[in-house]
Parts: sequence; C-alpha cells; structure tokens
Amino acid sequence: NAGVTQTPKFQVLKTGQSMTLQCAQDMNHNSMYWYRQDPGMGLRLIYYSASEGTTDKGEVPNGYNVSRLNKREFSLRLESAAPSQTSVYFCASGTSGGSSTDTQYFGPGTRLTVL
Amino acid sequence: AQSVAQPEDQVNVAEGNPLTVKCTYSVSGNPYLFWYVQYPNRGLQFLLKYITGDNLVKGSYGFEAEFNKSQTSFHLKKPSALVSDSALYFCAVRDPLWNDMRFGAGTRLTVKP
Repeated sequence: NAGVTQTPKFQVLKTGQSMTLQCAQDMNHNSMYWYRQDPGMGLRLIYYSASEGTTDKGEVPNGYNVSRLNKREFSLRLESAAPSQTSVYFCASGTSGGSSTDTQYFGPGTRLTVL
Repeated sequence: AQSVAQPEDQVNVAEGNPLTVKCTYSVSGNPYLFWYVQYPNRGLQFLLKYITGDNLVKGSYGFEAEFNKSQTSFHLKKPSALVSDSALYFCAVRDPLWNDMRFGAGTRLTVKP
C-alpha cells in the first residue's frame, strides 16, 4: 500500500515549456486534489476531482489543466510554464466524495522550478 | 469565503514543556477544521479534525485541539513536547457550503532538548 505517489520528484523547465505531473493513489478514494505550496502562503488548491469523471477549479486554477484518468490517477498539466509557477506541488486524495468532512492524504510532492 | 490564520510563524518550546500552536478561522457557517503536520521534504500528514460534537478533539502522536466557537479558534496542543515534534504545522478550514479547503500559512515548531 503505497498511498499517494507523485512523479517526478524534481523538475526544471524553461519558460514556455509544457509538462504533466502525475499522481496516483491506491486507497480507493473517490476524491483527488492538486495543491501548490509557496513560502509563507500555505497550500492553495489548484483543481480537485470529487469523483471519477468530474473536475472543478480551486482557488488558483489559471495556467493549469487537469485530467482524472480513472479512479486512481489525477494528472496536472502546465501548457506553457511561467516563472510564477515555480512551487512545490502536492497531490492528495480524500476518503469521501469531495464532501466537507473529507480527510485528505498527501503525496510527497514535486518540486518544480521554471527558469 | 472561508479563511484561516496562524498568527505565529515560529514557536519554540523546550522538550517536556506543553506546546500550543494557534489557529483562528472565518467561515460563513459551521466550520470543519483540520490540523496537518509536514516534516522536511515530505507531504502533509493528517493529525486531527473537528466536525461536530465534543469541542476537545484528540489526534495522532498525543496531539489534541480545542474548538472554541466564540473565539473562532482551533488551537493545537500537546501536554509534553518531544524533539521529534519539530515540524511545520498547518491549520485548515472547510466551509460546508464549499468544496475547497483553505490552509493557513503554517507555523514552524521547534522543540529544543
């Protein structure tokens, strides 16, 4: 039982390049989330998926797209990376179907630098 | 929209002493409140949550938190701190009317031997 896994762990991009961050969970959770963590700002929600086949915007969705490929996998895509997207990205999955009492379990993070 | 504040960037305590990490929140309805801990180069780990019921919530690793509706606070506490408790602690709030969760900026706890 690996929990929530993320790939890659580290990535350096040039401005304008694209990339996809991968996330998978093996806990049979319905909901999945993507956050970014910036110093002094806590975590901010980018997108979430309350269940397979649905996705919704969070607090900071601009510049990102997501795909809920199946129940296990939720990917985050940067189509044209910008230096402002330099951050640590965390994927999480939740025990409920996106309900307000959802306890979330986090992956180890991806550290992304955009030059 | 909901929001959460952690008024202290840094908390320092001696091992064996009690610790408190403060959190205040703002939501339109009854809040759902969470505490998470982050160790270096790791993801966040769930500690405890308040949904309803008893205002004192007990969680992992001997931590507890007290929900105070009148003061809109949800402070994290532990009676006797350990050096291994040193980490970054995040408070989070979820408004039942919204699907997203808002996190505080985090408080770095350092426990010195």
